[in-house]
Amino acid sequence: DAKTTQPNSMESNEEEPVHLPCNHSTISGTDYIHWYRQLPSQGPEYVIHGLTSNVNNRMASLAIAEDRKSSTLILHRATLRDAAVYYCILGEVNNDMRFGAGTRLTVKP
Amino acid sequence: GAGVSQSPRYKVAKRGQDVALRCDPISGHVSLFWYQQALGQGPEFLTYFQNEAQLDKSGLPSDRFFAERPEGSVSTLKIQRTQQEDSAVYLCASSLRDSNTEAFFGQGTRLTVV
Repeated sequence: DAKTTQPNSMESNEEEPVHLPCNHSTISGTDYIHWYRQLPSQGPEYVIHGLTSNVNNRMASLAIAEDRKSSTLILHRATLRDAAVYYCILGEVNNDMRFGAGTRLTVKP
Repeated sequence: GAGVSQSPRYKVAKRGQDVALRCDPISGHVSLFWYQQALGQGPEFLTYFQNEAQLDKSGLPSDRFFAERPEGSVSTLKIQRTQQEDSAVYLCASSLRDSNTEAFFGQGTRLTVV
């Protein structure tokens, strides 16, 4: 299975941008990069996903390295509600999605 | 509601008891996933269905765990002869097509084995 490596925890100040890194050096050509987050006592929530090109949506941006061995989730202005565990996951078409330990993001007011 | 629904939300089982956990995915969603999440850990993959076909069950921890989705919609995760180490939150997710479309998660079922 392709694996991802993320820092255990990160801190951010409210209303500042946050860059959450993910390394996936064993990624294959068909693996998509997914990001989910999990707020306390809730199920995971989809954030964004991409294959090769950078992606933007209303929640975040996903910057994918040219060699695809790493990616960065960008929250443009962190709010207290963004405090959660963020998971970077590799997924192949018609295959399962396996979570790692994720990065616990703390947002300070 | 339009989301993934899981029932019961909470279940307390005596050790050795059998339990059945239900997942109602979003209507029309092809893919369905089950995960087990222990306290303070990330979700651990259990099994994956595409319609009624169970394509991957490699994450099921033992033969006491069994999942089915007979008509390609509702799914049931059954745990036989529950043990204390089965205590966890069991999460279900569904997605419209394959695993590379957005997956929607339910709130989970918290199972406590006493």
